[in-house]
Amino acid sequence: QKEVEQDPGPLSVPEGAIVSLNCTYSNSAFQYFMWYRQYSRKGPELLMYTYSSGNKEDGRFTAQVDKSSKYISLFIRDSQPSDSATYLCAMSAKSNYQLIWGAGTKLIIKP
Amino acid sequence: GAGVSQSPSNKVTEKGKDVELRCDPISGHTALYWYRQSLGQGLEFLIYFQGNSAPDKSGLPSDRFSAERTGGSVSTLTIQRTQQEDSAVYLCASSPQMGGGKGEQYFGPGTRLTVT
Repeated sequence: QKEVEQDPGPLSVPEGAIVSLNCTYSNSAFQYFMWYRQYSRKGPELLMYTYSSGNKEDGRFTAQVDKSSKYISLFIRDSQPSDSATYLCAMSAKSNYQLIWGAGTKLIIKP
Repeated sequence: GAGVSQSPSNKVTEKGKDVELRCDPISGHTALYWYRQSLGQGLEFLIYFQGNSAPDKSGLPSDRFSAERTGGSVSTLTIQRTQQEDSAVYLCASSPQMGGGKGEQYFGPGTRLTVT
């Protein structure tokens, strides 16, 4: 079993819908949680960063961490075709430089 | 400011040849990472540098792969005697934190390597 599990998709939704992307993990030492967005033929870009449990909001994006369930989510409101990309979750323990990555979920927003 | 840059952006090479991939991290970032990403796959960790030293080489697939970093800045990833299974996008990332801390990484655009 992988340390971080992420459904590869593809997830296809109509424009304007609320999108929910998720990752589960097994290592309770993880403290730092990140979401990266990767467009085709580009490197991943940091989208959201969260420490420990709780929510963080940035514009149309909300990152949520539930450490008790070892589950993290990224919500995208009012989804746009430009949000179509692969979304990767990544996480690390407090004193560890090493990021552990999910496989990425391909998201398609249909106009 | 300038982001992470990588060169070349694309490289086509014949099986058996050596290739060198270059990464210029964000100025002042102490940590540097190399990853490999095959088509439709997640990120495969290769090697990590803290300054010029590589405390974690656990991801290098074989002894044909090596990497170095000089002056705490530029890094090169060398693949000797390339094989077709080496074809992938090689991504470099840098991070401002030493050891503990946030751990967020900033990526370059990648080098797309094709071995024919």
